[in-house]
Amino acid sequence: EVQLLESGGGLAQPGGSLRLSCAASGFTFSSYAMSWVRQAPGKGLEWVSGISGGGGSTFYADSVRGRFTISRDNSKNTLFLQVNSLRAEDTAVYYCAKVGSVLSSFDYWGQGTLVTVSS
Amino acid sequence: SYELTQPPSVSVSPGQTASITCSGDQLGNKYACWYQQKPGQSPVLVIFQNSKRPSGIPERFSGSNSGNTATLTISGTQAMDEADYYCQAWDSSTDWVFGGGTKLTVL
Repeated sequence: EVQLLESGGGLAQPGGSLRLSCAASGFTFSSYAMSWVRQAPGKGLEWVSGISGGGGSTFYADSVRGRFTISRDNSKNTLFLQVNSLRAEDTAVYYCAKVGSVLSSFDYWGQGTLVTVSS
Repeated sequence: SYELTQPPSVSVSPGQTASITCSGDQLGNKYACWYQQKPGQSPVLVIFQNSKRPSGIPERFSGSNSGNTATLTISGTQAMDEADYYCQAWDSSTDWVFGGGTKLTVL
């Protein structure tokens, strides 16, 4: 059974930083691209960042490029998102999602971790 | 940047067919998929690669994608289908993009 468990969310001040983690199990982690998707309170889904299975290719939404960094540790089956220079509009539930075999969709999602940016 | 447009809301009577559209420039040339999200829960993939259903998704869910519009169709809609539905597209030039979401009400 595929399981994705996010952690690391919490309250941060504007301009602050957090490191989100996603522990994966139930599949060959290194064989699949992974992504982060966020959802602001009461709003829709927004793709944030993605990374290839080997970690050599990374992708970012324009809204976070230069502030967020995605990475992975395939030896520990863990995905990360380093979020810096946080803004109020970054407040959201951040979901870890496994990219399907055909790259085009997210076939499994975690339960999410809430990031709140406020002074 | 690439945009996908969905109607904010769709209503359907139980047992009837619900159709939710998703529009984007030349969307038919990309892979489209759909997610269902119920309150307080994570999204669930219900259609991928335009028209394929993941294991465990009921046959009443179907999808199509042509021209500028992808459509999610729910046949024989049940009360349990009431949820928010999001379309999403991908290609190598736009990465992953979501539509704004559609609230499906079954009444």
